[in-house]
Amino acid sequence: EVQLVESGGGWVQPGRSLRLSCSASGFTFGSYAMHWVRQVPGKGLEWVSSISWDSGGMGYMDSVRGRFTISRDNAKNSLYLQMNSLRPEDTALYYCARGPGLAVAKGYFDFWGRGTLVTVSS
Amino acid sequence: EIVLTQSPGTLSLSPGERATLSCRASQTISSNYLAWYQQKPGQAPRLLIYGASSRATGIPDRFSGSGSGTDFTLTISSLEPEDFAVYFCQQYGNYLMYTFGQGTKVEI
Repeated sequence: EVQLVESGGGWVQPGRSLRLSCSASGFTFGSYAMHWVRQVPGKGLEWVSSISWDSGGMGYMDSVRGRFTISRDNAKNSLYLQMNSLRPEDTALYYCARGPGLAVAKGYFDFWGRGTLVTVSS
Repeated sequence: EIVLTQSPGTLSLSPGERATLSCRASQTISSNYLAWYQQKPGQAPRLLIYGASSRATGIPDRFSGSGSGTDFTLTISSLEPEDFAVYFCQQYGNYLMYTFGQGTKVEI
């Protein structure tokens, strides 16, 4: 059974940093692109970032480019999102999601974790 | 950025009825790279449809997707009680600029 479990969320002041993690199991992690998607509770979904199976391809939404860094460790079956210079508008539930194949080009999400909540507030 | 507009915002129906949800794109979605997700309260989204019309693994055949270019439709042929949820469309034709619609709530 595919499982994705996010961690690392919490409350942080504006301008500070946070690192999210996603632990994967039930599939060959290194054979899939992975993504982060966020959702303000009660609102819509927003794609944040993607990384290919070998970290050779990655991308970010405009508002986080230069502040967030996606990475992965295939030996540890883990995905990460380093979030720096956080802003109140980054407040959301952050989901880890699996892509259907190796590359980030097939940018839909076939399995999702339950999410970790990030709150940015003074 | 491709903007996706879903309509209606809320669909009020009864079990057994047919639901038709619309997703319109601000520009042509290449290769019909359009997906649909279902989200229930307190749960993560679940993939229903990808490539505009291909059902994901385990999705009942009462769910079907259609459309091309800028106009796409998700149809639920006969609503079951567990189908009452929010539905989102998402385009992935614009490489690494993926966007979602604002959602359609299907309520009893």
